[in-house]
Amino acid sequence: QSVLTQPPSASGTPGQRVTISCSGSSSNIGSNPVNWYQRLPGTAPKLLIYGNNKRPSGVPDRFSGSKSGTSASLAISGLQSEDEADYYCATWDDSLNGWVFGGGTKLTAL
Amino acid sequence: EVQLVQSGAEVKKVGESLRISCKGSEDSLATYWISWVRQMPGKGLEWMGRIDPSDSYTNYSPTFQGHVTISVDKSISTAYLQWSSLKASDTAIYYCSRELGAIYMDVWGKGTTVTVSS
Repeated sequence: QSVLTQPPSASGTPGQRVTISCSGSSSNIGSNPVNWYQRLPGTAPKLLIYGNNKRPSGVPDRFSGSKSGTSASLAISGLQSEDEADYYCATWDDSLNGWVFGGGTKLTAL
Repeated sequence: EVQLVQSGAEVKKVGESLRISCKGSEDSLATYWISWVRQMPGKGLEWMGRIDPSDSYTNYSPTFQGHVTISVDKSISTAYLQWSSLKASDTAIYYCSRELGAIYMDVWGKGTTVTVSS
């Protein structure tokens, strides 16, 4: 059971906008910035969004993040087949004094 | 480009000890923490613990406290994750990542696959 809650799966057709939610509590999302990671099949996780809504260099602006209270969301606009991957939210938890991850969302481009 | 290079896949037996490594390029271990993250087969990412290479201070997830040891050798820019007695449930991919103190983990190693059989 992950500390952060994500839907196990999401899907969309190419070109569509897809959102993935991440729910936590006051000790984690409510107090700290949220990061999102993309894990393509057979590869290491890649930082996609940091600080709730910032993109590292090289990440397309099709990817965006937001946070409100104890929840966060990742949005992917103009879905492409190469976006098929597992997506994880993560943040620091002040009570646990450590990082916590969501259970991951498997995104499928139909 | 900063890289974290992890040691190769390991196949071990229950009860054996193991140490895997994560070598940073440039000064990636100089001002960043190093975290270790586990991914069991078919499961999600789990944070195990981290180390501050400047003073070797560590903190662990309660799930892993006492089961693994994280260490670092600053002189060779290498962090380690070790087990004294492996269990079959330790079978997983282990990633090291560079962490900007509780803000984000930005650079990740490619992972080390550990297989433990009885």
